[in-house]
Amino acid sequence: DTEVTQTPKHLVMGMTNKKSLKCEQHMGHRAMYWYKQKAKKPPELMFVYSYEKLSINESVPSRFSPECPNSSLLNLHLHALQPEDSALYLCASSQDWDRGTDTQYFGPGTRLTVL
Amino acid sequence: QKEVEQDPGPLSVPEGAIVSLNCTYSNSAFQYFMWYRQYSRKGPELLMYTYSSGNKEDGRFTAQVDKSSKYISLFIRDSQPSDSATYLCAMVSSGSARQLTFGSGTQLTVLP
Repeated sequence: DTEVTQTPKHLVMGMTNKKSLKCEQHMGHRAMYWYKQKAKKPPELMFVYSYEKLSINESVPSRFSPECPNSSLLNLHLHALQPEDSALYLCASSQDWDRGTDTQYFGPGTRLTVL
Repeated sequence: QKEVEQDPGPLSVPEGAIVSLNCTYSNSAFQYFMWYRQYSRKGPELLMYTYSSGNKEDGRFTAQVDKSSKYISLFIRDSQPSDSATYLCAMVSSGSARQLTFGSGTQLTVLP
């Protein structure tokens, strides 16, 4: 089973709202990722968690706050977003970040619209 | 210059055609190569993973890597309308930078 699940599938929020995206995997992977994808563009890496610790933050604005409660779960907390943050947010996981060469498996994404 | 260049398309072919999708790269540290397929409004799905020069075949799909020319390709034989999607090449280096570097994606439409 190579499934990464994400909820919700769609989210519409105002600029003053606080919301969270959730990602789950049960493959025993120790690395989890958040990507942002705009239309007709490739995914852009936002954050990497390795063994539940934040390893990479690609200079993401603080209005995006990741959290890894345990090895199977990854959250992305959203607050005071801007309309330009509207995008498809993808979660991925891989066996081990340190090996670097492990295949990343992506979830279906959450389509976020900020009004 | 981008590290990975991918033919942007869009590409439109008749059903049954052989499709060739291509990426070139400039960073010789890239050693691991992947092709992802992404249907509209869905997450990328891994199709092929390879790390050596040469060909790797999986059903109707063949991934080709030429490290000397820094060139990778994905061939789809007997293309089907269900193959209509955006195809992304992706690479990882053998060094300390472990992030995936994606190409810009090629949108493919297979016409019935």
